[in-house]
Amino acid sequence: GAVVSQHPSWVICKSGTSVKIECRSLDFQATTMFWYRQFPKQSLMLMATSNEGSKATYEQGVEKDKFLINHASLTLSTLTVTSAHPEDSSFYICSAPSMLISGELFFGEGSRLTVL
Amino acid sequence: GENVEQHPSTLSVQEGDSAVIKCTYSDSASNYFPWYKQELGKRPQLIIDIRSNVGEKKDQRIAVTLNKTAKHFSLHITETQPEDSAVYFCAGTSYGKLTFGQGTILTVHP
Repeated sequence: GAVVSQHPSWVICKSGTSVKIECRSLDFQATTMFWYRQFPKQSLMLMATSNEGSKATYEQGVEKDKFLINHASLTLSTLTVTSAHPEDSSFYICSAPSMLISGELFFGEGSRLTVL
Repeated sequence: GENVEQHPSTLSVQEGDSAVIKCTYSDSASNYFPWYKQELGKRPQLIIDIRSNVGEKKDQRIAVTLNKTAKHFSLHITETQPEDSAVYFCAGTSYGKLTFGQGTILTVHP
């Protein structure tokens, strides 16, 4: 199957700093990527949909200025958590839809963010 | 948007028993229903999926049933093994987006 790679797999940062997470589709092109957040013992919640060459679409309640999404190419989407605070500590997972099978998603490995 | 409800939140079974997890969805336009298995700290893994034009699908020990009229679908795992222990999520698709259920922590005791 298709491969989505996410980096870094884990990051620890100080409160107030910004953290960038990269999501790459390695063997296919992704015009759309989805960013999910998962708090401990909870489900995956869709944060936003990134679209290559245009602005991301954010879900209700997600702050656009805090979670900056850039989809600069057909294989790369980035999520930047700006001015991170301890409550932003979470597992962030990106995914890209299959070009062949409608609805199927390929997930990145996830990035564990801990804000001190 | 889509709303997916999943039950139970925890499920404990003995090795060899069957496990059933149920989900309901709200959007009648949803047409794709995947099930994921997630181990601690790892990405979700697709284990089986079903589309709205099919009522049942089976893959070895795993099966999924879909009742479109009632808007619910279920995951069935037979002959459970300790390595089946994980968190399982159902999901529904609306407007190209996946909405996940709350998750079920399955524990299979040897």
